[in-house]
Parts: sequence; structure tokens; C-alpha cells
Amino acid sequence: GIQVEQSPPDLILQEGANSTLRCNFSDSVNNLQWFHQNPWGQLINLFYIPSGTKQNGRLSATTVATERYSLLYISSSQTTDSGVYFCAVLNRDDKIIFGKGTRLHILP
Amino acid sequence: KAGVTQTPRYLIKTRGQQVTLSCSPISGHRSVSWYQQTPGQGLQFLFEYFSETQRNKGNFPGRFSGRQFSNSRSEMNVSTLELGDSALYLCASSPTQGYPGEKLFFGSGTQLSVL
Repeated sequence: GIQVEQSPPDLILQEGANSTLRCNFSDSVNNLQWFHQNPWGQLINLFYIPSGTKQNGRLSATTVATERYSLLYISSSQTTDSGVYFCAVLNRDDKIIFGKGTRLHILP
Repeated sequence: KAGVTQTPRYLIKTRGQQVTLSCSPISGHRSVSWYQQTPGQGLQFLFEYFSETQRNKGNFPGRFSGRQFSNSRSEMNVSTLELGDSALYLCASSPTQGYPGEKLFFGSGTQLSVL
């Protein structure tokens, strides 16, 4: 089945820093979403982005479907950005497949 | 609009018991999907319901089942609980366009502990 790999697995940054999270997938996908899971377990949808670029405040995402990767950019990090970031793709069988996530720690 | 509501928030059961978890989607959403999250396996898709029909199913044993009611509320059931079923169970709903993989909105989850 399709493999979804996220990197880096862990990231520690100082408040105010910028970061780039990557999601690679091994096969064609029908769509891709980015999520943030806060320390209390709540998953929040950040972007629904099967292709192209989207921006929402300090966050932006780019998906290059032909090269099978997506990037999530976080600028001017805040402590509330801490948590785990997941990408999820829809495979050919219409099943959602999640990556293992990137755990982000923003230090004050 | 109220978000996705899952009940209960925490649950403790013993091996061999069964459990039912509930999920109320965002008003107007007709698709409800369920996921299991564990430290070892990460987030895994369980099943998806749309208009009371199971539209897709992940790779879980038959002990895991679900259903969806006419008001789009959904329940999932796990029978004959095993220690390995301890996990955070998340429910998500999607808008009404009706195709798989639409934007997902998650509930806060039910933390199940099996002793």
C-alpha cells in the first residue's frame, strides 16, 4: 500500500523561528490534508491541499502532486504551535492514510 | 455550528468486555469516519459511513463494527476487548458533497483503556 513519510520526526525551535515540515508519499493520491494535534489530543484541519499552494496567516502549504510531496511552512513560531503535525492522503481505495507525524516543540 | 462531539471522553474497561462509543457530527455533515490512534501504530482508519451505509473499511478485525443513524450520528462498537485495543478513538465528519476524502473535522476523541 501507499507509504506516507513525514520528516523530521521531531523538531525543537525557539519562539519566533520558522520551520518547514515535509510529507512524502509513494503513490498517486486523490487528496492531501494537514492536521495539527494539540497536547490535549484535538486534531485540527489546517489545509485541504491536493495540489498547489495555500496560505492561512502564519501557515502555508504547498503540494506538488507530480513529485509526490507536500510541505507545511510555519513562520514566526509561537508556543501554541507546539504539538504533532500530521499529513493524510486518500489512496486509490479511498482510504485515509496518515503519516507518523512531526512532533514540534516551540520553546519560549 | 457546534463541532464534532464524542462521548464518553474517557472509558475504562476490562478484557473481554464490549464497548460502544458515540459520535455526533457537525450539523449537516453526512459522512462520519472513525480512527484509532496508538503510540505504536499511529493513526489508523477504521471505517467510514455515509447516509447510513458503510462506504469503506480499514484493516481491523470483525470485533470492530459501527453504524450510522438517520440523523448522521454514529456509533462504533468493539466486542471482546483486548489489551491492545487501548487507544484514542477519534471520529471525524465531512461536509455533504458526498465524495470520499473530503476535508475532515475531528472530535476530541474517546480515550479507551483496557485493563
